[in-house]
Amino acid sequence: EPEVTQTPSHQVTQMGQEVILRCVPISNHLYFYWYRQILGQKVEFLVSFYNNEISEKSEIFDDQFSVERPDGSNFTLKIRSTKLEDSAMYFCASRQEDYGYTFGSGTRLTVV
Amino acid sequence: AQSVSQHNHHVILSEAASLELGCNYSYGGTVNLFWYVQYPGQHLQLLLKYFSGDPLVKGIKGFEAEFIKSKFSFNLRKPSVQWSDTAEYFCAVNYDYGQNFVFGPGTRLSVLP
Repeated sequence: EPEVTQTPSHQVTQMGQEVILRCVPISNHLYFYWYRQILGQKVEFLVSFYNNEISEKSEIFDDQFSVERPDGSNFTLKIRSTKLEDSAMYFCASRQEDYGYTFGSGTRLTVV
Repeated sequence: AQSVSQHNHHVILSEAASLELGCNYSYGGTVNLFWYVQYPGQHLQLLLKYFSGDPLVKGIKGFEAEFIKSKFSFNLRKPSVQWSDTAEYFCAVNYDYGQNFVFGPGTRLSVLP
């Protein structure tokens, strides 16, 4: 069964550093998403991406964050100048037209 | 504001007990409804989804959910739980064919062997 692949599975970074979280969506999917889950809290929407541009973003997704689809397969989330409160599990998801999201296994980001 | 609530934070059951997890959502527009499960240390997996048609939806692993539009509810059920059903369960709503989900806070299910 096709999978959404995320790397790395765990990233530790120092406060103030930049991180890039990588995702490979399912190849024929058209819509791409990033969600995050702070430990013990609910899953929160960050951003959606379609046709090479952001289609929707939440209040969380401020200027610190950016997304990119640098080639035909990768979908990245960049966090500039990380803060302690950015520590969370970040999930990438992709879908076709039928709203059947497929989530990746997540990247656990720890900011120290 | 769009929001999704789940009735229980933590549910503890014995094996073979019946399960019902509540989910209610705000807003009366067009919705697509989902239940996701997150097993310990794993990612979110789709259990079932409702778009239209029969309000009783059957999913994987013996789970089902019923959409009751008048109550803005989409409760998850399973007639007989197993120890392997121990996980966190998230209700999620997609409003008016928008791009994103709104997730509920999750319900932790612990099934005792």
